[in-house]
Amino acid sequence: DAGITQSPRHKVTETGTPVTLRCHQTENHRYMYWYRQDPGHGLRLIHYSYGVKDTDKGEVSDGYSVSRSKTEDFLLTLESATSSQTSVYFCAIGGGFADTQYFGPGTRLTVL
Amino acid sequence: AQSVTQLDSQVPVFEEAPVELRCNYSSSVSVYLFWYVQYPNQGLQLLLKYLSGSTLVESINGFEAEFNKSQTSFHLRKPSVHISDTAEYFCAVSDEGYKLSFGAGTTVTVRA
Repeated sequence: DAGITQSPRHKVTETGTPVTLRCHQTENHRYMYWYRQDPGHGLRLIHYSYGVKDTDKGEVSDGYSVSRSKTEDFLLTLESATSSQTSVYFCAIGGGFADTQYFGPGTRLTVL
Repeated sequence: AQSVTQLDSQVPVFEEAPVELRCNYSSSVSVYLFWYVQYPNQGLQLLLKYLSGSTLVESINGFEAEFNKSQTSFHLRKPSVHISDTAEYFCAVSDEGYKLSFGAGTTVTVRA
C-alpha cells in the first residue's frame, strides 16, 4: 500500500457523534486525498491537500472537514455523523500533476 | 469536473475468454486516463494509465487500454482472463492533473 496506513480500519458509531479518521504516509508525497466509496457511485473525492495546512474541497465535502498539520498526516473529521456517511473511506497520496495516486487499505465506517 | 461512465456494472466471463470493459468520459479537452483494480477487501491499485503519446497502453499482467479521443473512450481489454482477475475495475479521468473523477466501477467475475 505504498507506505499508507489508515486508522481505525473499522468503526461503528452513533448518529450525532464526532468521528476522526487518520491517514498516515511515509512517502513524503505532497498531495493527499480523502475519498468515499459507495456502491453504484465508485469513489468520490471529499477533500484533498496540496501541502501542510493547504486543503480544498472535493465534490462531496458537505459534513466533512480536514486538517493537515504535518506532511505525513491527513485527518478527516465528521463533526456530527449521520447515517448517510456510512461508507468505506479511502485515503490516497500522490506526487502531483498527472501522477499516480496510491491508495490506503480503507476504513469501513458504520453510522447507526 | 469530468463525468465518467462505465457502461457495464457486472461482467461475468469464463476463464481463458477475452474481456472488454468500457469507459467513456465527458470532455474532449486534454485528459489523463487511468484504470484501477480493486481486489476484495483491499484498496485500489493502478492497472495502467495514459498521459500522452501512443494511444495503446499496456499493463504488466496482460491488460491493455486504448485511448480514443474522438469517441472520448478508454476501454480496457484482456485477451484471456484468469480466475485471479476477479475484481472490481474503475476507470478514472483527470483534466486538472491531480484530481481524479471515477466511474461507478465494473465487477468482473471469472468462472472456471
